[in-house]
Amino acid sequence: DAKTTQPTSMDCAEGRAANLPCNHSTISGNEYVYWYRQIHSQGPQYIIHGLKNNETNEMASLIITEDRKSSTLILPHATLRDTAVYYCSAKTSYDKVIFGPGTSLSVIP
Amino acid sequence: NAGVMQNPRHLVRRRGQEARLRCSPMKGHSHVYWYRQLPEEGLKFMVYLQKENIIDESGMPKERFSAEFPKEGPSILRIQQVVRGDSAAYFCASSPALNSGNTIYFGEGSWLTVV
Repeated sequence: DAKTTQPTSMDCAEGRAANLPCNHSTISGNEYVYWYRQIHSQGPQYIIHGLKNNETNEMASLIITEDRKSSTLILPHATLRDTAVYYCSAKTSYDKVIFGPGTSLSVIP
Repeated sequence: NAGVMQNPRHLVRRRGQEARLRCSPMKGHSHVYWYRQLPEEGLKFMVYLQKENIIDESGMPKERFSAEFPKEGPSILRIQQVVRGDSAAYFCASSPALNSGNTIYFGEGSWLTVV
């Protein structure tokens, strides 16, 4: 699995877009970028994943750079309930998720 | 469509007892993963199983811990002779068969407290 690096923490004002970066400079061609989040004392929640193209679902958007060495998770209108630890992971479609320390996102009223 | 079901949600054991944690994967999922989260720490992979097979147990402690995923029934994570350091949240996850995509979905966890 490719190693990923994320900022330790970030703040975002409620109602604004939260942009969470992830570096995965050693990602392989067959590895996807997956994003999960963990709200305190709950199980990790799948958010989105992508290979090369940008992706969007009802929760978030994922922007992957053309060289695939980094990506950004975008929560378009952050709410207080989006306060959580966000994890970026690069893995093949058939492998386990490896979690790093993640980014602790605080949404501020 | 029920998600990944774990039970018990909370378990208290005395030192030296056995703990058994159960995980029922999502319907149609044939792969199960176990993770451990110690207090104030990150999620650590333990083991990855397919029905009746262990695929990857690189994260399992060498002693006292075992996991199975039988042909019928839930996956079981078994911890023998528990110690205080085993107190943690144990998360199970599941995914579909390999050739139909592999987004992994997590349960809500089982909290083990060893007293």
